[in-house]
Parts: sequence; structure tokens; C-alpha cells
Amino acid sequence: QQKVQQSPESLTVSEGAMASLNCTFSDGTSNNFRWYRQHSAKGLEVLVSIFSDGEKEEGRFTAHLNRANLHVSLHIREPQPSDSAVYLCAVSISGGSNYKLTFGKGTLLTVTP
Amino acid sequence: NAGVIQTPRHKVTGKGQEATLWCEPISGHSAVFWYRQTIVQGLEFLTYFRNQAPIDDSGMPKERFSAQMPNQSHSTLKIQSTQPQDSAVYLCASSSRDWGANTGQLYFGEGSKLTVL
Repeated sequence: QQKVQQSPESLTVSEGAMASLNCTFSDGTSNNFRWYRQHSAKGLEVLVSIFSDGEKEEGRFTAHLNRANLHVSLHIREPQPSDSAVYLCAVSISGGSNYKLTFGKGTLLTVTP
Repeated sequence: NAGVIQTPRHKVTGKGQEATLWCEPISGHSAVFWYRQTIVQGLEFLTYFRNQAPIDDSGMPKERFSAQMPNQSHSTLKIQSTQPQDSAVYLCASSSRDWGANTGQLYFGEGSKLTVL
């Protein structure tokens, strides 16, 4: 069964400094990786999706995928206090259950002015 | 586009009562999911409908949970004889027919927070 782990559990950065979040997964057949953001008591907002090794940029958010190392990361350039939220990594495998996302437990990011 | 709409946003029930949660997916979306979110377990898959047909309910607790999608504009999640451990935020999500083929996006509602006393 797929296991998705995120680190760190919480991260505090100053406004404008780069924020880096990590996610490891256990199933090497995984081929669909998404980063979501969840502000308090709100739904999930998709930030970036990546499906092949390398990097994918969406505005200030960049995902890096290394499937051989079972690792995907999210880098937030010039974070603002409004970026303070829980960041969730979601992974799905190839094949018949490719519709099902397995989520990590999240990283709580706090951006201080 | 109103997004995925979930009602009620908050529901408090007594132990043993029934709770029904509603979801209106984005118009035209054919894939509808229910997930449950708790602090301890995080986000867990419950069930999936495609074109209103139940495809996968492997995440649903078998005895007290049921989900239906009677038409393309709404889905319900029903919990019978609620227990304190059912307290969670229940999230509904929808996507276009491209979901699962490395295309498309999954859009989540804001969730229904269920508290069982």
C-alpha cells in the first residue's frame, strides 16, 4: 500500500526567503504527483502537478520529481505571509487505480513578515 | 463557476444519530470523490463515482457508511449510527473526464465538518 511522507512537519520562513518542502513515496510505479495548499478551514487548492522526472514551474511554485529516489519536492519562491497554510503532497500510481490520490499529512508553512 | 459546493459546512450530531452530507460537483464534471480528513490520519480516500456509477468504495467503512449519486448534480454521503470516531472533515471533489490520465485537475469543496458528541 502506498505510503506518502512529508517533511518537515512544520516550517517557518521569512518573507522573501525560499521555502522548500519534501515528500517521499513508497510505490515506484507512481506517476502522478500534485501539490495542494489548504488554508485553515478551507478546501484544497492545487498548486502544481508533475508527471515526469525533472521540474515543473507554476508561477512562484516549482516541483522537482526524482522517481528513482522516490522523492518529490516543492519550492516556493519569494513566499508571502498569505502563503502561510498547510501544504499537501498527493500521489497516484499507474494502472487501474490511477484515479486514487494518496496524501501525505502535510507541512504547516508559516511565513513571517 | 461556483466550484464544488458542500452542505452543511458544520454538523453536530449525538452518538447514534444519522448524518447526511451533500455535495454538488462542478457542472459537467463526471468524476466525483469523497475523502475524509482527520488530524491523526490525514486525508483518506473513501469512494469514487464516474458518470454517476460507483467505481470504488474501498475506503468506506463497510457497516455504517454509504454514498450515492442519484444524478449528475449531487452526491450524498450518509453515516448511520454515528460514533465519536466519525468526527472529521468530509471533503468532496470533482474532475472532468480526463482525470486519471495524467491530465485534468481535481477540485475540492471546502468540506463538511462533522462533530459527533
